[in-house]
Amino acid sequence: EPEVTQTPSHQVTQMGQEVILRCVPISNHLYFYWYRQILGQKVEFLVSFYNNEISEKSEIFDDQFSVERPDGSNFTLKIRSTKLEDSAMYFCASSELRPSYNEQFFGPGTRLTVL
Amino acid sequence: GQQVMQIPQYQHVQEGEDFTTYCNSSTTLSNIQWYKQRPGGHPVFLIQLVKSGEVKKQKRLTFQFGEAKKNSSLHITATQTTDVGTYFCAGPKGGGTASKLTFGTGTRLQVTL
Repeated sequence: EPEVTQTPSHQVTQMGQEVILRCVPISNHLYFYWYRQILGQKVEFLVSFYNNEISEKSEIFDDQFSVERPDGSNFTLKIRSTKLEDSAMYFCASSELRPSYNEQFFGPGTRLTVL
Repeated sequence: GQQVMQIPQYQHVQEGEDFTTYCNSSTTLSNIQWYKQRPGGHPVFLIQLVKSGEVKKQKRLTFQFGEAKKNSSLHITATQTTDVGTYFCAGPKGGGTASKLTFGTGTRLQVTL
């Protein structure tokens, strides 16, 4: 069964450093998303991406964040200068058709720890 | 902005007991989705409800969408230890073309023998 994959599974970084989280969505999916989940809390939307551009972003997704689809398979989230409060689990997700009428498939997540 | 609240926040049941989580949105939803997240895992889609008053069943799980399309519930009959996890409802931000899912606050279910 096709699945969303994410690398790395765990990233430890120093405050102020740049990190890139990588995702490979399911191949025939058209919509891509990043969510984050601080430990023990709810899943929070960061950004959605369709047709090679950002479709929607939340207030969390400020100028420190960017997304890119550098090739036909990868979807990345970059945090330019990490802060302590960026420590969280970051989930990539993808969906096939109109996203509000289709399930989103989540990857296993990348745990980001900012020291 | 849109807020989606769930109650209870946490429930601990004995295996075989029933469980219900309730989801309430501050705005009318075009549809609602339910996800389950096992401890240490990622959200996994369970079901989507679209119509007002819709009821769907998956084995021991019964999902309901309110008449006003602002609330929903998930009921598990005769819980098993495999039901352990956090259950989230999620709805699109606004109309059907919105691409953002707003997740509820989640209900963590613990089941013991």
